[in-house]
Amino acid sequence: DGGITQSPKYLFRKEGQNVTLSCEQNLNHDAMYWYRQDPGQGLRLIYYSQIVNDFQKGDIAEGYSVSREKKESFPLTVTSAQKNPTAFYLCASSSLGQGEETQYFGPGTRLLVL
Amino acid sequence: QKEVEQNSGPLSVPEGAIASLNCTYSDRGSQSFFWYRQYSGKSPELIMSIYSNGDKEDGRFTAQLNKASQYVSLLIRDSQPSDSATYLCAVKVGFGNEKLTFGTGTRLTIIP
Repeated sequence: DGGITQSPKYLFRKEGQNVTLSCEQNLNHDAMYWYRQDPGQGLRLIYYSQIVNDFQKGDIAEGYSVSREKKESFPLTVTSAQKNPTAFYLCASSSLGQGEETQYFGPGTRLLVL
Repeated sequence: QKEVEQNSGPLSVPEGAIASLNCTYSDRGSQSFFWYRQYSGKSPELIMSIYSNGDKEDGRFTAQLNKASQYVSLLIRDSQPSDSATYLCAVKVGFGNEKLTFGTGTRLTIIP
C-alpha cells in the first residue's frame, strides 16, 4: 500500500518533556511537511523539506525541530520550549517540479499535555 | 487581512440541494488552488484542484476560479449526508512554490 503513515495516533507529553512524532511515506515524494491544527482552525505550517538533509521553517517553527536523514522519513520533535503543544499534527508529502504538485496527508497524531 | 478567507459557517443544506462554499485570497501571485474535505477527527483529503480560470467538474463537485476577483468556490451538487464535513480551501503561490496557505474551513452539514 502506498501512502503516508504517522505514529503514534495519540501522544501524551509531560511538562518539560521532548516528544517525537514519526512520519514515513512510500510515495517517493521529494517534499514533506508538518502542519499543526488547533480546534476550529486551519492548518499552520511548522516545517517543510524539499530534499534530504535540508529543511526550512514554516510560520510557527518555534519550539519544534525536524530532521530529514532519509527521503521517506521526516520526524518532528516537539520540545519543552513549545508551551502550548496540544494540537492535531499532520504530516504531508508532495512531488516537486513545475506543474500540479498536490499535498497528501497522513492520518495525523493528536498530542495532549498531561 | 487574512491570506485565505472562507465563510466560516456552519452551513446547513438539505439533502439533494446544491452546497456552495466560497474562498477568497489576498496574494495575486497565487496560481494553484485546492479544496480538501476533512471529516471530524480525520486528516484532510484532496477533493479538487484548479489552476485556470473557469470551472472544473469532477462528478458531483465543481470548482470555480476567478483570478481577477481572487475568488475560488466549490459547488457540491445533489448533496448527500456523507458530504457533511469541514471543507478547507488551500492556496499556493506560483507553480513549484511548495507552501500551501489554508483557510480556517467551512463546516458543512447536509440535512436528510
